[in-house]
This record gives sequence, structure tokens and C-alpha cells, in this order.
Amino acid sequence: QVQLQQSGPGLVKASQTLSLTCAISGDSVSSNSAAWNWIRQSPSRGLEWLGRTYYRSKWYDDYSVSVKSRISINPDTSKNQFSLQLNSVTPEDTAVYYCARGTPDHFDYWGQGTLVTVSS
Amino acid sequence: DIQMTQSPSTLSASVGDRVTITCRASQSFSTWLAWYQQKPGKAPKLLIYKASSLESGVPSRFSGSGSGTEFTLTISSLQPDDFATYYCQQYNSYPLTFGGGTKVEIK
Repeated sequence: QVQLQQSGPGLVKASQTLSLTCAISGDSVSSNSAAWNWIRQSPSRGLEWLGRTYYRSKWYDDYSVSVKSRISINPDTSKNQFSLQLNSVTPEDTAVYYCARGTPDHFDYWGQGTLVTVSS
Repeated sequence: DIQMTQSPSTLSASVGDRVTITCRASQSFSTWLAWYQQKPGKAPKLLIYKASSLESGVPSRFSGSGSGTEFTLTISSLQPDDFATYYCQQYNSYPLTFGGGTKVEIK
């Protein structure tokens, strides 16, 4: 059974960096068939895919154009987890953030969600 | 980007009703579509992938169909546990995009 456990602060100040981690159990971040995604949800934007990291003999990442200049998603093979960093946040980045496993492009396991509020 | 539009946005129904939710895509694609159920305060749950394939453990009263630009999710006999919000998601091309959701309420 795959489980994804999210951690990270729920409050970030504007202009600073949002950082979240997703710990994986029951699968490997280095899986050759899965992709590891971050998705957010807000009343104004709905469900919004942000990006992913995945391993296919080497590491790849893909990002949404809407955040591409500010985002980084990185695997940590030693801890079997992956992380999200979103720089220069504004109140518009306030949302519930989810990590999710893609197989490879639809999402079969999700983290519990983290409400991140950006304070101005 | 492929825009996904769901209808209706809200649906009132009774236990035992047959319910159909529609998802329309701004561009045509094959069957790279998934459906999710979300309850308040919880993460979305995968119900259907590849337009009509039932995810393991999901009750058979849920079914999906469609291709091209129109897709449907059908609940054959609505149960009390089914009152929730439903989302479609295309994975034909990046960026992956979701519909705006359909809330199924108790009539």
C-alpha cells in the first residue's frame, strides 16, 4: 500500500519560499514507472497541476508554465521523498498543496494535503 | 493548454438516482481522461482512468465513457457515500488540467 506523508509549514510570508516535503512509503521515488507530482487547490484556481519529477534511467522534471520561473521539485533518494520549493510567493499562492503519485499521468495516491497561507 | 469544462456545476439528486456528469475538452483527444471524487477536507480519490477503466476497489456503480471532446461519468444508483464533488482530468498533454468540478448534493 502506497502512502504519501506531507510535511512543511502552513504559513509563509510574501516574497519568501514555500517548502514542502512528501515522504513515500510502499514505492520508490526512483521508480521507473511512476512520477511524483505537486498539485494545489484553491477556490480561485481550482485544482492546478504544478509539476513533477521522475526517473527513467536519469532524472527529469516538468513544470507548469504558470510557475515555471519560481518552482523546483527535487527527489531525495536517501530518504525516499521529494520536495517542492516555490519562490517569491504572493497571497495568490495560498492554497491546499497536495503531493501525488502519477502512474504516470493520472494520480492514484495522494498526500493528505497541506494548507499553506501566504501572509502579506 | 487543454481546457476542461464540467457540467453541471451542481447537481441535486436522491439516493437511488442515476447521475451523469459531463466533461468537455477544448481539444479532441483519445481516452486519456480520469475522474476523481473529493469529499470536504480530503484529497481527491481516483475513480476512473483511461476514460472507462475502473480503479481497483471502486464500486461498479461508477462508470465512465467517451472520447474526443466529450466524456461522461455515470453513477448508476446514487448511494449516501457518493455525495461529494467530482473532477475530470485530462492527461493527453502537458500541462495536465482539471475540470472545475461538479458537486453532487442531496435533493
